[in-house]
Amino acid sequence: DAGITQSPRHKVTETGTPVTLRCHQTENHRYMYWYRQDPGHGLRLIHYSYGVKDTDKGEVSDGYSVSRSKTEDFLLTLESATSSQTSVYFCAIRSGTGTNEQFFGPGTRLTVL
Amino acid sequence: AQTVTQSQPEMSVQEAETVTLSCTYDTSENNYYLFWYKQPPSRQMILVIRQEAYKQQNATENRFSVNFQKAAKSFSLKISDSQLGDTAMYFCAVHYNQGGKLIFGQGTELSVKP
Repeated sequence: DAGITQSPRHKVTETGTPVTLRCHQTENHRYMYWYRQDPGHGLRLIHYSYGVKDTDKGEVSDGYSVSRSKTEDFLLTLESATSSQTSVYFCAIRSGTGTNEQFFGPGTRLTVL
Repeated sequence: AQTVTQSQPEMSVQEAETVTLSCTYDTSENNYYLFWYKQPPSRQMILVIRQEAYKQQNATENRFSVNFQKAAKSFSLKISDSQLGDTAMYFCAVHYNQGGKLIFGQGTELSVKP
């Protein structure tokens, strides 16, 4: 157990509304990641963070923003949700042991109507 | 572009038998890490096994082992003595040092039948 929690675990929202997903870790890892999982695509990286206030884009970052004001929290925001953002969202941390393993939170299922 | 390909969308195996899941990838890097993750119906992503590209010896974790062919850019997962609890989606992933990102394959859905 890498001490990663995500909230909420499930959310249904309407098109055009803002949504924020939270990832919280308890083990002081430097690197944190947000992925989305869709059928036929595996997991795709949205954004990642390599320290407080240090973030960068992944391969599917359009329509998403992130913030990291504390080591333990990494927030993913959909400024104006669209139906194409209906997905399962996973947060992950990278192990600090040098082996580059990533450990994942339980996921958030987001439905945009 | 760095890509990871799993060419078997679905596979099935009888309980107690052996099954091999395939994965190929594309990279110009020499040092990288490869992983297999398991995702059961609970949706939790679970790390199964890890292989460092600089190591020639294939990794083994209990009933799980890999066949790593660096020149061929192939990284297959072998599950021996399959159990019903092995039923899950399996993802191959490669960590590229350039950019520090983990790239996933599309997944293989494995069913273990009694």
